[in-house]
Amino acid sequence: AAGVIQSPRHLIKEKRETATLKCYPISRHDTVYWYQQGPGQDPQFLISFYEKMQSDKGSIPDRFSAQQFSDYHSELNMSSLELGDSALYFCASSLGPLDTQYFGPGTRLTVL
Amino acid sequence: AQSVTQLDSQVPVFEEAPVELRCNYSSSVSVYLFWYVQYPNQGLQLLLKYLSGSTLVKGINGFEAEFNKSQTSFHLRKPSVHISDTAEYFCAVSDQGKAAGNKLTFGGGTRVLVKP
Repeated sequence: AAGVIQSPRHLIKEKRETATLKCYPISRHDTVYWYQQGPGQDPQFLISFYEKMQSDKGSIPDRFSAQQFSDYHSELNMSSLELGDSALYFCASSLGPLDTQYFGPGTRLTVL
Repeated sequence: AQSVTQLDSQVPVFEEAPVELRCNYSSSVSVYLFWYVQYPNQGLQLLLKYLSGSTLVKGINGFEAEFNKSQTSFHLRKPSVHISDTAEYFCAVSDQGKAAGNKLTFGGGTRVLVKP
């Protein structure tokens, strides 16, 4: 079975630009989570969605927004990018909010 | 609020030797416990999880972990490591019964370097 798909895998942006990261969950999974992993750091929870509604929010900057669409894929929109936004962004999906989370390969964002 | 502490940031170990990665957590509610592995330049892969029942949990690749509620620990072990086990290992927890969503709180990671 196909795993979580994230696109793009790598993204290079300039400061103050905008980026959109996409996440396609495992088939039938209705819950999506976004995490940010800075260089040499552990993943930090950003935001999650269950059945297309935001279910929880972590340390996500106001410059970031996200949504989950009717096909359950999710997009993380990041505006006014800063150097400190350079990180690996993981998406995870689960079958329901209490099920095990399965992670995608991540999108590596580099802000120059 | 929850926190996870991985007591060793790096663990060098010789091939075929045993390894133990220590994880302690703090939480005001009951939690689920997980170990994830991250190979270089890859995503996170679930090794094993503790939800309930037997405190000794077996996972993939010969790993096992033991939940100790009194010590709030969930240490990961493997009796004989391979070069391919070189990776970063993350311990994580989530709230039990939080129907609105179940974010993971991760520890700082333990980098395992298996030497020949």
